[in-house]
Amino acid sequence: GAGVSQSPRYKVAKRGQDVALRCDPISGHVSLFWYQQALGQGPEFLTYFQNEAQLDKSGLPSDRFFAERPEGSVSTLKIQRTQQEDSAVYLCASSLGGVSNQPQHFGDGTRLSIL
Amino acid sequence: KQEVTQIPAALSVPEGENLVLNCSFTDSAIYNLQWFRQDPGKGLTSLLLIQSSQREQTSGRLNASLDKSSGRSTLYIAASQPGDSATYLCAVRRINDYKLSFGAGTTVTVRA
Repeated sequence: GAGVSQSPRYKVAKRGQDVALRCDPISGHVSLFWYQQALGQGPEFLTYFQNEAQLDKSGLPSDRFFAERPEGSVSTLKIQRTQQEDSAVYLCASSLGGVSNQPQHFGDGTRLSIL
Repeated sequence: KQEVTQIPAALSVPEGENLVLNCSFTDSAIYNLQWFRQDPGKGLTSLLLIQSSQREQTSGRLNASLDKSSGRSTLYIAASQPGDSATYLCAVRRINDYKLSFGAGTTVTVRA
């Protein structure tokens, strides 16, 4: 597609439920990033993939968070046993190269609300 | 850890006035700096990317400068319009790193 696509756009879940957020990067983009954005704040890095390899997961806040990109294109961010502090906008970004000066292109995000 | 600060947090100007948005960062060993625009409920739209070897980038009414040694970047928007109302975020990428470190943004309102 023309841009980064994320689904669902909105997700409401009860505390304790598991959720899965999907990201379709721009076709051909090697790098894929997940960020978490709290209200009124800038995005915070969660994890990075180069093709199917997860090279950095240092930003994942707990072992309840898991991300995968099995075929090097679509990625899924899964949150198990959700808690209220997980409520945020989850942004996915992709860029053309690996370690390069290419800009990151962002999707519109998934707004997650935990009740 | 790279700390990125944006001042002011909010700005309101009349239409036609020039906008000056500031960004500072603590670690000058950066690969590049990127300015984004975010509209309410939307993702980030990339405006300008400045390589660490560059001092400025221009696109239409937008001009961004970079002073790496002092850890500062400034985004200038000339002749502001109501459609420029949005939150503007700067983000830096450190050398040998993949991720972007963001400021909290400056929310701009341009009054008609």
